[in-house]
Amino acid sequence: NAGVTQTPKFQVLKTGQSMTLQCAQDMNHNSMYWYRQDPGMGLRLIYYSASEGTTDKGEVPNGYNVSRLNKREFSLRLESAAPSQTSVYFCASSDRFNYGYTFGSGTRLTVV
Amino acid sequence: KQEVTQIPAALSVPEGENLVLNCSFTDSAIYNLQWFRQDPGKGLTSLLLIQSSQREQTSGRLNASLDKSSGRSTLYIAASQPGDSATYLCADGNDYKLSFGAGTTVTVRA
Repeated sequence: NAGVTQTPKFQVLKTGQSMTLQCAQDMNHNSMYWYRQDPGMGLRLIYYSASEGTTDKGEVPNGYNVSRLNKREFSLRLESAAPSQTSVYFCASSDRFNYGYTFGSGTRLTVV
Repeated sequence: KQEVTQIPAALSVPEGENLVLNCSFTDSAIYNLQWFRQDPGKGLTSLLLIQSSQREQTSGRLNASLDKSSGRSTLYIAASQPGDSATYLCADGNDYKLSFGAGTTVTVRA
């Protein structure tokens, strides 16, 4: 099925560990995004890639890095996980920048 | 900084009643206003997108309006069904990102 695929779906990390969240889309979209969702706060943008080869910071980039590996894939890396990074992470893509989003099903991350 | 507010946070209605969900935003210089649906433990599904030059969009039982001058958007769901139970989020497209409200969780009682 066409869409946005995120892996893993669930992850538990210890404080200080690192990990990479993977995201791939098969809709030939140009723009990709990483959001985090916390209870009562809506979604907040971490990083985005308006087009292949570019990445920019969003609202809450501290503690994260991203890589736009190619047009299909956009990964999010936590170098040294902290409990404050416990959240649900969503990857999204759009054909035109900031227009017509498709979201993945999310990664539930717990940092203990 | 753009702020998006959705009130109420939760809503419970009997089946068949029309739903009215409210969204307000602080900066009227938006590109578009988008409504999403989120089921528990799932991602977001796009419902409607209203361009800044438009006043409303319709899809089936859903109708969304946009009033930039007052900083408000409203999502109407006609003749609600138990399958409409979900969290509904609005987001305004401004500059390079979407600014999301915290959502309204809707329960439609059979």
